[in-house]
Amino acid sequence: EPEVTQTPSHQVTQMGQEVILRCVPISNHLYFYWYRQILGQKVEFLVSFYNNEISEKSEIFDDQFSVERPDGSNFTLKIRSTKLEDSAMYFCASSGASGSPTQYFGPGTRLLVL
Amino acid sequence: QKEVEQDPGPLSVPEGAIVSLNCTYSNSAFQYFMWYRQYSRKGPELLMYTYSSGNKEDGRFTAQVDKSSKYISLFIRDSQPSDSATYLCAMSGLTGGGNKLTFGTGTQLKVEL
Repeated sequence: EPEVTQTPSHQVTQMGQEVILRCVPISNHLYFYWYRQILGQKVEFLVSFYNNEISEKSEIFDDQFSVERPDGSNFTLKIRSTKLEDSAMYFCASSGASGSPTQYFGPGTRLLVL
Repeated sequence: QKEVEQDPGPLSVPEGAIVSLNCTYSNSAFQYFMWYRQYSRKGPELLMYTYSSGNKEDGRFTAQVDKSSKYISLFIRDSQPSDSATYLCAMSGLTGGGNKLTFGTGTQLKVEL
């Protein structure tokens, strides 16, 4: 069964450093998303991406964040200068073009900013 | 008022019990309603999604939507210890793809032997 994959599973970084989180969505999906979940809190939407551009972003997704689909399979989230409060689980999700709103999530990357 | 409210639990039930998990919402624009299961430190796993008011059944799981009351439920019959997880309701507003999900806080369920 196709699934969304994410790398790395864990990342530890120093405050102010840049991190890139990687995702491989389900191959025939066209819509891609990033969400985050701070420990003990709810899953929060960051950004959606379609046809090589951002279709919607939340207030959390400020200038420190960017997304890219560098090739036909990968989807990345970059945080330029990490802050302590960026520590969270980051989930990538994808959905198909069939009109179904259901999104399939990857296993997540746990980011710890020290 | 939060857009989506969900009792965080924890909810503890004996094996074989019927479990009822609920969410309320305030945004009338929500059209699609999903239930995800999340094991500790893992990604959300889609269980079911519904669009219209009414019931939808899949095995031991039944999803119920009442748009007039802005209330959704997930029922689990014959609950098993493997059902122990956090259950997240999620909602979206537009038809088709490319739409953000708004999640509840999740209800932590423990099914005891």
